Amino acid sequence: DADVTQTPRNRITKTGKRIMLECSQTKGHDRMYWYRQDPGLGLQLIYYSFDVKDINKGEISDGYSVSRQAQAKFSLSLESAIPNQTALYFCATSDTFTDTQYFGPGTRLTVL
Amino acid sequence: GESVGLHLPTLSVQEGDNSIINCAYSNSASDYFIWYKQESGKGPQFIIDIRSNMDKRQGQRVTVLLNKTVKHLSLQIAATQPGDSAVYFCAETGGGGSNYKLTFGKGTLLTVNP
Repeated sequence: DADVTQTPRNRITKTGKRIMLECSQTKGHDRMYWYRQDPGLGLQLIYYSFDVKDINKGEISDGYSVSRQAQAKFSLSLESAIPNQTALYFCATSDTFTDTQYFGPGTRLTVL
Repeated sequence: GESVGLHLPTLSVQEGDNSIINCAYSNSASDYFIWYKQESGKGPQFIIDIRSNMDKRQGQRVTVLLNKTVKHLSLQIAATQPGDSAVYFCAETGGGGSNYKLTFGKGTLLTVNP
């Protein structure tokens, strides 16, 4: 079984719609992250959370919000989706003592 | 400012050859470096890491070399196999208490020809 899972894996939505991407992990890690990947580019950090009560903005948080429902769950919301939010979205986790981040399989989001 | 870049966007090698993927970074405070492999349709997969107090680290068929003098990182893959075909990213953390924040390069596409 995968340690970091993301749902849905693919989603097509329309401009203005609200959408939520979900991430769950069984690694027991405290830290969770949301990244965005655009074609030909590296990953950009959207939000990160060091524990359930700690949420922080990353490089590109505008237009996104997050919720850390439990240690194992971290969701990303697009309140009003726009076409330039079309991208691959990855969730990642790490523990407190090492800096290595482990990634989920990704969600491909298309906003029409 | 911080930046992590790759010298070559694509690399094509023959099966069995050794591959070398290069990465330059600009932040002299960076103290932790990771190489990730991303296959089509999948998330980045951890390959190997190295801390700034080391200049070489070996894994199974992979070696990472760190040259802090010229701020250069490389990934060497021995006896490259078709399954090694993927995009390879280097990433670094800036140190100074910001070790949670990985800065990624744009990636190098490695193609292994049979």
